[in-house]
Amino acid sequence: EIVLTQSPGTLSLSPGERATLSCRASQSVSSYLAWYQQKPGQAPRLLIYDVSNRATGIPARFSGSGSATDFTLTISSLEPEDFAVYYCQQRSSWPRTFGQGTKLEIK
Amino acid sequence: EVQLLESGGGLVQPGGSLRLSCAASGFIFSNYVMSWVRQVPGKGLEWVSTISDSGFSAYYADSVKGRFTISRDSSKNSVYLQLNSLRVEDTALYYCAKHNTGWGWFDPWGQGTLVTVSS
Repeated sequence: EIVLTQSPGTLSLSPGERATLSCRASQSVSSYLAWYQQKPGQAPRLLIYDVSNRATGIPARFSGSGSATDFTLTISSLEPEDFAVYYCQQRSSWPRTFGQGTKLEIK
Repeated sequence: EVQLLESGGGLVQPGGSLRLSCAASGFIFSNYVMSWVRQVPGKGLEWVSTISDSGFSAYYADSVKGRFTISRDSSKNSVYLQLNSLRVEDTALYYCAKHNTGWGWFDPWGQGTLVTVSS
């Protein structure tokens, strides 16, 4: 099973700041990595897939990068609605696995 | 607009069974892979099971293998999850999700149905 480790666990930033979230895989997942956003009381939403492709309707301030085992989600300038929990997920192999999540909170 | 509506959750005793349903609309159901993902309230996401567009292939997390069964009915545009031999640790919000393309990514998700296993 591929283990995804996200860091930091919690990130405290202010609106307008840049957010950098990390996801590290226990073995290579090639480019089969996605990011999801989950707000309280809501289902997760796909943000980024295949490392760097934005899902439909996702603003350009969200970007993804990385390869093999190290991946990054960057939010260039935080908007109030971006404060949420973010999960990475791999589909390189079964079982599909998620990281434990990074909570992005308002400082 | 794609819509996924889960139902069937509830309170069940350990060892009991439940059948979750997910009614899909807004897309050609038979063309898409479907999955179930669960989340213990306040905790992270755990993939549970995936079924191919044809229904001929299915995959399960080790934690549910042999106890849960995924199925689909294209005539009803629905995917199901049969939960047997339930354990306290199966308590979670169960989400149905469509895959965006092929064996791709979970997009979108339903709002979930809560399963509580308790005596």
